[in-house]
Amino acid sequence: SQQGEEDPQALSIQEGENATMNCSYKTSINNLQWYRQNSGRGLVHLILIRSNEREKHSGRLRVTLDTSKKSSSLLITASRAADTASYFCATDDAGNTPLVFGKGTRLSVIA
Amino acid sequence: GAGVSQSPSNKVTEKGKDVELRCDPISGHTALYWYRQRLGQGLEFLIYFQGNSAPDKSGLPSDRFSAERTGESVSTLTIQRTQQEDSAVYLCASSPNRGGVNIQYFGAGTRLSVL
Repeated sequence: SQQGEEDPQALSIQEGENATMNCSYKTSINNLQWYRQNSGRGLVHLILIRSNEREKHSGRLRVTLDTSKKSSSLLITASRAADTASYFCATDDAGNTPLVFGKGTRLSVIA
Repeated sequence: GAGVSQSPSNKVTEKGKDVELRCDPISGHTALYWYRQRLGQGLEFLIYFQGNSAPDKSGLPSDRFSAERTGESVSTLTIQRTQQEDSAVYLCASSPNRGGVNIQYFGAGTRLSVL
């Protein structure tokens, strides 16, 4: 079963704008990750945030985690057309267990 | 180095036939995962191999599905007596699983179409 649920399902923005995607999950987690999937390709890891962290940055990406609300957000600043892809959150409850993926947010960045 | 490689990239088969999908993980990655992704959907976990431990088969949808992995090398996912509902992209991922962090590296997938 899928634990992560991304919101919105689809998002369309203009190049240069910021994109925010949200993820909610149901059970306790060890880590939460965000992945990107370009059309017809496999997933690529973007960023990982541990359960004891609240915010993390990587380039134009900013991830927050609120374990009390069981939610995370991914912010992409100054979006580019190349950011067009589906974005998935994934959780695990221990280091060596399978990740549980959400259904993803389809982001379209219009040039 | 080389990433995760999957073959074939596309497979078209007739209902009732068996298919075999292959995954070459990144060298040195002890963990290997198979997922199924239906059109426009998220990833559905199928099976997980960790080193020489018994695989976690809890995600396999039916006994028509099976997978093997020898040591920390190639894995094959076999679907017997394929059904139209099996049409999907099958993704393989490997992970070094170090330090309690499970970052997965994905192949491009095999797109299976059952006619």
